[in-house]
Amino acid sequence: KQEVTQIPAALSVPEGENLVLNCSFTDSAIYNLQWFRQDPGKGLTSLLLIQSSQREQTSGRLNASLDKSSGRSTLYIAASQPGDSATYLCAAKGQSNTGKLIFGQGTTLQVKP
Amino acid sequence: EPEVTQTPSHQVTQMGQEVILRCVPISNHLYFYWYRQILGQKVEFLVSFYNNEISEKSEIFDDQFSVERPDGSNFTLKIRSTKLEDSAMYFCASTGQGQYNEQFFGPGTRLTVL
Repeated sequence: KQEVTQIPAALSVPEGENLVLNCSFTDSAIYNLQWFRQDPGKGLTSLLLIQSSQREQTSGRLNASLDKSSGRSTLYIAASQPGDSATYLCAAKGQSNTGKLIFGQGTTLQVKP
Repeated sequence: EPEVTQTPSHQVTQMGQEVILRCVPISNHLYFYWYRQILGQKVEFLVSFYNNEISEKSEIFDDQFSVERPDGSNFTLKIRSTKLEDSAMYFCASTGQGQYNEQFFGPGTRLTVL
């Protein structure tokens, strides 16, 4: 059974810092891994999707990497801004035909001005 | 840009009452999902729906839950007799052809059972 874990649970950094959020999964047989942003009390906004055959994806200041063999993904945020403060969730799509996502518990990021 | 919409944004109900949560997935998408997030906990998969039938359901999705796509646009989640522990944020999601594709989520319905 797939388990997804995110470390750390919370992170506080000063504005301008580069930072890395970690995601690990127990079953390496995944189709893809998706990173989301969740603001308090709000929905999930998709940030990046990495297919199982890819090593990384980039969007603006965000870069996500995937290492299937070690069961790890990282989300790198460059030059963090206060507006980046949110909870970041990773979710793995397993090899079921249904494409359900298995979520980590999230990392809550606070970027201080 | 196309988006998944959900109504209502917040639903308050009494224990034992039936509730229907509504979703309009992105129009050309084929796979539909419901997830829930109890406050402070992980987002959990409930059910997936494809070709007008349930393709997978979790242990949470017992006989009290049902899903329906009554027309070409709406996708609904019904809880027949709500319990206190059903209080959560419920998210609808959809994806296009192929399980390789990105899942898009709606803004959620916050269900409060009193």
